Amino acid sequence: NAGVTQTPKFQVLKTGQSMTLQCAQDMNHEYMSWYRQDPGMGLRLIHYSVGAGITDQGEVPNGYNVSRSTTEDFPLRLLSAAPSQTSVYFCASSPGTGGSQPQHFGDGTRLSIL
Amino acid sequence: AQSVAQPEDQVNVAEGNPLTVKCTYSVSGNPYLFWYVQYPNRGLQFLLKYITGDNLVKGSYGFEAEFNKSQTSFHLKKPSALVSDSALYFCAVRVRRYGNNRLAFGKGNQVVVIP
Repeated sequence: NAGVTQTPKFQVLKTGQSMTLQCAQDMNHEYMSWYRQDPGMGLRLIHYSVGAGITDQGEVPNGYNVSRSTTEDFPLRLLSAAPSQTSVYFCASSPGTGGSQPQHFGDGTRLSIL
Repeated sequence: AQSVAQPEDQVNVAEGNPLTVKCTYSVSGNPYLFWYVQYPNRGLQFLLKYITGDNLVKGSYGFEAEFNKSQTSFHLKKPSALVSDSALYFCAVRVRRYGNNRLAFGKGNQVVVIP
């Protein structure tokens, strides 16, 4: 009964370093997405995927890459970390792609860029 | 732009009193609306949704929401607040872009229930 699993839970990086945030879901959901949460700004969509091999940009995609090689996994890559990317990152998934089903969220990755 | 607005930053309410968290939306066509709750250091949890049908929607933990098309609102309500309802609440709306669907979230409302 894992749902959406995100690793790591916490990470500190130096400016310019790269890293990958992992996200896996075991519910066979088609739709997966990445958000960042910043104080007073709610959740902003970074990238999303409507199925394996299909990804698209959200509101704030710059500095991030994604891929979806399997239904289960949707990793988010920071190419060259910047202090502005300090945030809490959430991965979410939902069945179908019509937008009528609720999204299931992981517990987040808290990322600090020094 | 298709979006939701949550006009209040924080809602304070005494335990046992009614709780209301406000949300208004701006979207073309029929809206798909959602409420989520976030507890400290956790991800968002789904509370309820409105897709079609009855304007009063009932959800988890005794929460309900009323869809009002004329006022473009979807306010979250609970008749009697508990201390354990203290959390961050998000309203969201489905946005269609280039044939794909995604959620746009409001900035969130911190609810503080005072014992």
